[in-house]
Amino acid sequence: SQQGEEDPQALSIQEGENATMNCSYKTSINNLQWYRQNSGRGLVHLILIRSNEREKHSGRLRVTLDTSKKSSSLLITASRAADTASYFCATVLNSNSGYALNFGKGTSLLVTP
Amino acid sequence: SAVISQKPSRDICQRGTSLTIQCQVDSQVTMMFWYRQQPGQSLTLIATANQGSEATYESGFVIDKFPISRPNLTFSTLTVSNMSPEDSSIYLCSVGGGAGGTTRNEQFFGPGTRLTVL
Repeated sequence: SQQGEEDPQALSIQEGENATMNCSYKTSINNLQWYRQNSGRGLVHLILIRSNEREKHSGRLRVTLDTSKKSSSLLITASRAADTASYFCATVLNSNSGYALNFGKGTSLLVTP
Repeated sequence: SAVISQKPSRDICQRGTSLTIQCQVDSQVTMMFWYRQQPGQSLTLIATANQGSEATYESGFVIDKFPISRPNLTFSTLTVSNMSPEDSSIYLCSVGGGAGGTTRNEQFFGPGTRLTVL
């Protein structure tokens, strides 16, 4: 079953604005990851935040994690048209699956010039 | 990191037929994963494929419908059998889990195979 639930489902902003996407999950985690998918193609790993971390930065990306609320957010600052994509949070499904991932429903981001 | 290729990139098939999707990795990995992404939806794990053993399928997916082969540490195939329009999806393979130079948690994905069943 889908563990992560992202909101909003769709987000439309203009270049230069910030985009914030949220993700909630249900079970305890060791880490939470964010992935980007362009035009229904393969996914690209963006960032991983561990359960003992509260915030992490990578370039224009900022991820927060609140394990008490079982939620995470992804902030993209100074967005560009090239950021247009779908963004998914993911947690490890279970150890029996060999660290396969359980993905949220995703947020579709449109950045217009 | 790992570089993954998939064949075909897309296909249009008639119902009742079968399609085999190939996944090639540029390094040896123990675990490979197959996911399905239905139109407008997120990814759902179909099965985990380990070299030298039977694939492990997730609830809702069965071997007769999605047989998987894993003949060596760099290659896997997924067959979608007796297709129906409901099988129209993007099928993606990935590697990770800490083998073959990958980190335990991060996964690397192939570009996907876009399947349309008429």
